[in-house]
Amino acid sequence: RKEVEQDPGPFNVPEGATVAFNCTYSNSASQSFFWYRQDCRKEPKLLMSVYSSGNEDGRFTAQLNRASQYISLLIRDSKLSDSATYLCVVNPSLPRGGADGLTFGKGTHLIIQP
Amino acid sequence: DTEVTQTPKHLVMGMTNKKSLKCEQHMGHRAMYWYKQKAKKPPELMFVYSYEKLSINESVPSRFSPECPNSSLLNLHLHALQPEDSALYLCASSQIVHNQPQHFGDGTRLSIL
Repeated sequence: RKEVEQDPGPFNVPEGATVAFNCTYSNSASQSFFWYRQDCRKEPKLLMSVYSSGNEDGRFTAQLNRASQYISLLIRDSKLSDSATYLCVVNPSLPRGGADGLTFGKGTHLIIQP
Repeated sequence: DTEVTQTPKHLVMGMTNKKSLKCEQHMGHRAMYWYKQKAKKPPELMFVYSYEKLSINESVPSRFSPECPNSSLLNLHLHALQPEDSALYLCASSQIVHNQPQHFGDGTRLSIL
C-alpha cells in the first residue's frame, strides 16, 4: 500500500491567521483525494473532497496537482474550533466491481491560539 | 452525529475472551470497512467488504474474523487477542462509486488485559 506524506507539525497559529497544509502521495494511479479532520479521541470526519480544478467550502480551499502528486489545504481566518489533526487521504484505486480502503497520511496537528 | 453506528463504545476483555464489535449503516452503502487506529497514528485498513463479500484482507491475524450478515451490518469477531491489539477500531462505509468518501463511525475503544 503506497504512502501519503505530510508534515506532522504541530502548527501553532494565532486565531484569524491563514494556514496551509501540504501532502504528497506516491501512487500515481490514485483516483480520489480527501481531507479529513480528527479531533482527539474521535473518529475521522470528512472535511472536503479534493479535485484537480480546486474546490472551496467557506474558509477552506483544497487543491490537487496530479502532475506533482501534491495536495494542499488552505484555512483562512482560522478559528479556535479548527484545532485538530488534519489527515490527507488518498483512495488508491477503484478495483473493478469493488471498493478499496483509504490510505492516510500521518496527519498534521494544528493548534489555533487565542 | 455519525450515520455509521458502532457498538460497544468501549470494550475491555481478557486474552481468552471472545467478543464481537458491531457496525450498522442505513445509507444504502454497499462497501463497508474495518480500520484499526493506535494512539497518535493514522487509521490502518484491516478489511473491505464489497456487496457483502470480503474483497480485501490486509494480512490481518486470524484472531480477527469479520462478518457481513447483510448490506447494513458489519461485525468483527475477536478471539484470543493480544495486549498489542488494544486500539480504536473504526468502521466505515461508502458507495462503490468513483470519488465517493468513506463515512466513519465513532469507533470502539478496545483494551486487552
